[in-house]
Amino acid sequence: RKEVEQDPGPFNVPEGATVAFNCTYSNSASQSFFWYRQDCRKEPKLLMSVYSSGNEDGRFTAQLNRASQYISLLIRDSKLSDSATYLCVVTSWENDYKLSFGAGTTVTVRA
Amino acid sequence: EAQVTQNPRYLITVTGKKLTVTCSQNMNHEYMSWYRQDPGLGLRQIYYSMNVEVTDKGDVPEGYKVSRKEKRNFPLILESPSPNQTSLYFCASSPPPTGTDEQFFGPGTRLTVL
Repeated sequence: RKEVEQDPGPFNVPEGATVAFNCTYSNSASQSFFWYRQDCRKEPKLLMSVYSSGNEDGRFTAQLNRASQYISLLIRDSKLSDSATYLCVVTSWENDYKLSFGAGTTVTVRA
Repeated sequence: EAQVTQNPRYLITVTGKKLTVTCSQNMNHEYMSWYRQDPGLGLRQIYYSMNVEVTDKGDVPEGYKVSRKEKRNFPLILESPSPNQTSLYFCASSPPPTGTDEQFFGPGTRLTVL
């Protein structure tokens, strides 16, 4: 089983729509969670961290469910510029510091 | 400008011809790492370094070497490249990992091994 799994999509949505997707992780000792954005095979860039209480950054809302071991990302009022692949990243400190990446969820926003 | 640079950005080579991909960061970060990205597999960590002269294997280290002689540089060495090492490679750096730190990625190196 992969450590971090994501629905690859693609999620095709019209401008202005809301889109949401999840990421599941297998290591219950995972400590920190992030969403990164990657445009067309360019370098990933941090979109937002995910806090236990959930957090918002403008049109983006991230949630963490430790009991079910998943995080989610919701994008409201989608813009064309939101078209990208969203990578889920999970970190853990056990024997050492480890980052695990999901394979990404592709979102395409159409006019 | 704070950045991570990688060179070359694109490389086509042949099986067995040693190559080095350089990575340099100007943010005085302790932690540096190399990833490869393949379709459907996401980013997989090859090697990482917590500080100068300290390197450790990631999830897919076979066929790769690294060194960390200076804080800013973390080259990736393929002693004898093979076609299964054709991939998109990213170098990344961050402050000492606390679990809350952003990873800064280089622009990527697209490697093709014939």
